[in-house]
Amino acid sequence: DIQMTQSPSSLSASVGDRVTITCRASQSISRYLNWYQQKPGKAPKLLIYTASSSQSGVPSRFSGSGSGTDFTLTISSLQPEDFATYYCQQSFSAPRTFGQGTKVEIK
Amino acid sequence: EVQLVESGGGLVKPGGSLRLSCAASGFTLSSYSMNWVRQAPGKGLEWVSSISSSSSFIYYPDSLKGRFTVSRDNAKNSLYLQMNSLRAEDTAVYYCARDPGTAAIDYWGQGTLVTVSS
Repeated sequence: DIQMTQSPSSLSASVGDRVTITCRASQSISRYLNWYQQKPGKAPKLLIYTASSSQSGVPSRFSGSGSGTDFTLTISSLQPEDFATYYCQQSFSAPRTFGQGTKVEIK
Repeated sequence: EVQLVESGGGLVKPGGSLRLSCAASGFTLSSYSMNWVRQAPGKGLEWVSSISSSSSFIYYPDSLKGRFTVSRDNAKNSLYLQMNSLRAEDTAVYYCARDPGTAAIDYWGQGTLVTVSS
């Protein structure tokens, strides 16, 4: 199975900050990497698919990059509604494993 | 509007069985692969299963093979998850979720809670 490791596990940031979350795969997954946002008590929401493609309706401050084993989700200017937990997921092969999550909290 | 509505969750004793259902609307179910994803209380997301549009391809993590069975009835716009020999560690919110063809998940249901406890 492919293991997905996110870093950091949590971070504190202020509104307006640039935030970067990293996801590393245990083997190459090409660009088969997706990013989700989840708020408490809600289902996850797809932000980015295939590493850098933005899901329809997602604000442009969210962007993804990377290929192979190393990937990044960047929030260019953190907004109050962005405080949430973020997950990466590989869709290269089954089982389609998720990272452990990164909780973005208010500083 | 795409909607996925799960049902069938509840309290079950260890060793028991439960069948979850997911009613799909607002899109043509037969055109999409579907997934089940779960989340234990206070924990992260865990992919449970995927099934292709015509049920030709079905996947599970090794840890669930033999206990969980996914199926679908496209004529009834429904997805199912049969869970047997349930354990305390299967306690979670179970989400039904759509694959738009990119192997990502673009729509999620609201989830149904399964609690395995004596």
